[in-house]
Amino acid sequence: TQLLEQSPQFLSIQEGENLTVYCNSSSVFSSLQWYRQEPGEGPVLLVTVVTGGEVKKLKRLTFQFGDARKDSSLHITAAQPGDTGLYLCAGEKSSGYALNFGKGTSLLVTP
Amino acid sequence: NAGVTQTPKFRVLKTGQSMTLLCAQDMNHEYMYWYRQDPGMGLRLIHYSVGEGTTAKGEVPDGYNVSRLKKQNFLLGLESAAPSQTSVYFCASSYLRLVNEQFFGPGTRLTVL
Repeated sequence: TQLLEQSPQFLSIQEGENLTVYCNSSSVFSSLQWYRQEPGEGPVLLVTVVTGGEVKKLKRLTFQFGDARKDSSLHITAAQPGDTGLYLCAGEKSSGYALNFGKGTSLLVTP
Repeated sequence: NAGVTQTPKFRVLKTGQSMTLLCAQDMNHEYMYWYRQDPGMGLRLIHYSVGEGTTAKGEVPDGYNVSRLKKQNFLLGLESAAPSQTSVYFCASSYLRLVNEQFFGPGTRLTVL
């Protein structure tokens, strides 16, 4: 059972465009993380959001945690080719040690 | 610090062969994890460990065994490899504080023929 649904699955845009990636669930999470994975490498943590309604900014990336702590979004402003990669969201439930990963959004930014 | 390292990077096995994947971390993390990543399936947890000498099953544990004899090492074993175990395997570690932020290794690409 996939607890976290990410959309879109694939996204191909041109440099300079804006985009939003969504991570949705019917479950409540104590925290939600976003990772980026480049081809041939392991995922790298970008951000963790903990509080419902929280917004965090990382340069051109803006992350938001839903008020009910069931969903999250990642917005990229003026995308660059270096943003290309697989974006994974992962939710942590307060009752366990493991993270529940979404299937990811594969982003391609072309010059 | 090397972070999380995995050996080997690539391996090809024949059906029925066995092998062990090694994960090592130098961050003194208590928690370690083994995932597999398959196209369209995302990252799925195989086994994890919350401390030296302890292991637990994850979402897809069948066909795999693990051991955590030393805090810095987490081994994943395949006793009798099957083609369904062809995948990319990632190890991760974390130091559980307020949140479980995980650090991943570079992965091992395993092909079972």
